[in-house]
Amino acid sequence: QTVVTQEPSFSVSPGGTVTLTCGLNSGSVSTNYYPSWYQQTPGQAPRTLIYTTSIRSSGVPDRFSGSILGNKAALTITGAQADDESDYYCLLYMGSGISVFGGGTKLTVL
Amino acid sequence: EVQMLESGGGLVQPGGSLRLSCAASGFTFNIYAMSWVRQAPGKGLEWVSAISGSGGNTYYADSVKGRFTISRDNSKNTLYLQMNSLRADDTAVYYCAKRTSIAVAASTPDYWGQGTLVTVSS
Repeated sequence: QTVVTQEPSFSVSPGGTVTLTCGLNSGSVSTNYYPSWYQQTPGQAPRTLIYTTSIRSSGVPDRFSGSILGNKAALTITGAQADDESDYYCLLYMGSGISVFGGGTKLTVL
Repeated sequence: EVQMLESGGGLVQPGGSLRLSCAASGFTFNIYAMSWVRQAPGKGLEWVSAISGSGGNTYYADSVKGRFTISRDNSKNTLYLQMNSLRADDTAVYYCAKRTSIAVAASTPDYWGQGTLVTVSS
């Protein structure tokens, strides 16, 4: 059973930089998994931040960036703002048409 | 402006059926794959199903395979999810999402609807 792993929670100070990661319980994440990242606040639909590892979705500020760091996909937020406080989900394409979400990271800005 | 509007959610008894619809606008519907994603109350996102732009290729999560059927009508710019043999753990908000290319392979959701709530309970 493939499990996509994310930190359950993370904290960052206003103006600071934080890197959230997305891994696999077995194996390494590469660009072949086409990692994507989504932001969601309570009661709202998800918003796409990054797709295909590092492409920012339309309207997403450039302080959000995606990459591969080591054996994981990563979402880096620079200059964190109060309204970045949200849940963040990664999604990996597993092949054969199947995708799997990570469990999500709850980001606190304080 | 890209928009998706889901409908068809509601309360259904265990073992029952429901069909969700997603009306899309603001883009050329038939050249993009589409997906359904759900979120149980207080839980994370779960990928449910995807369909290619032509409708010829469909894919399902193991949790819904054999019970749910994804389809699309490109003449009506509408995506569907037929849900049969519903269980309590199917209770969730169901989102439709446009994907980044015509094929499901190597594409990901980029635009999302606001979701429709499905509650399975007696």
